[in-house]
Amino acid sequence: DTAVSQTPKYLVTQMGNDKSIKCEQNLGHDTMYWYKQDSKKFLKIMFSYNNKELIINETVPNRFSPKSPDKAHLNLHINSLELGDSAVYFCASGYGQSYGYTFGSGTRLTVV
Amino acid sequence: DQQVKQNSPSLSVQEGRISILNCDYTNSMFDYFLWYKKYPAEGPTFLISISSIKDKNEDGRFTVFLNKSAKHLSLHIVPSQPGDSAVYFCAASKGIADSWGKLQFGAGTQVVVTP
Repeated sequence: DTAVSQTPKYLVTQMGNDKSIKCEQNLGHDTMYWYKQDSKKFLKIMFSYNNKELIINETVPNRFSPKSPDKAHLNLHINSLELGDSAVYFCASGYGQSYGYTFGSGTRLTVV
Repeated sequence: DQQVKQNSPSLSVQEGRISILNCDYTNSMFDYFLWYKKYPAEGPTFLISISSIKDKNEDGRFTVFLNKSAKHLSLHIVPSQPGDSAVYFCAASKGIADSWGKLQFGAGTQVVVTP
């Protein structure tokens, strides 16, 4: 059983479209994250949710809207996609303020 | 502003030898450090961590050393095995009570273990 699963694994879309990436964890963790790995390979945090509440919101354009319907799910919706949004997006989960959290396998988003 | 730096993008090492990966940081508020390992098409997996109150932490073949005065940490893998071929990310945080698991990552070092 996959601990943190993201769908889709690959996403190719045109500029201006709206898309969503889904994330689910079956580890019973109470905190979930979205990280972005850009073309320079840096992993940067975008959002963190604890028990469905937004805890961390880095300086991310408001075209990005996370939604956590319950503590096992954290989805990422992106409006009006731009070329610069092309990246690999990783979901992760952990316990509260613990750092050894578990990553999903990533979603490679390509905007053309 | 990149506060965690891994200046070696790649490292090649023979099987059985020691791999030494280096990481430097600029923010003196960081007090918890981690290493993650990543295979292609997979997410990073947690490897080992160290708190700033220690200067060494060991877990099997993996040892992390922290030099706070130099703002430097290193990961030693002894002996290196073919399965260790992966990208290794260094990460740091400003305090477990404060940052809700927010990590700052380096750019990674690609390790290739050759027979």
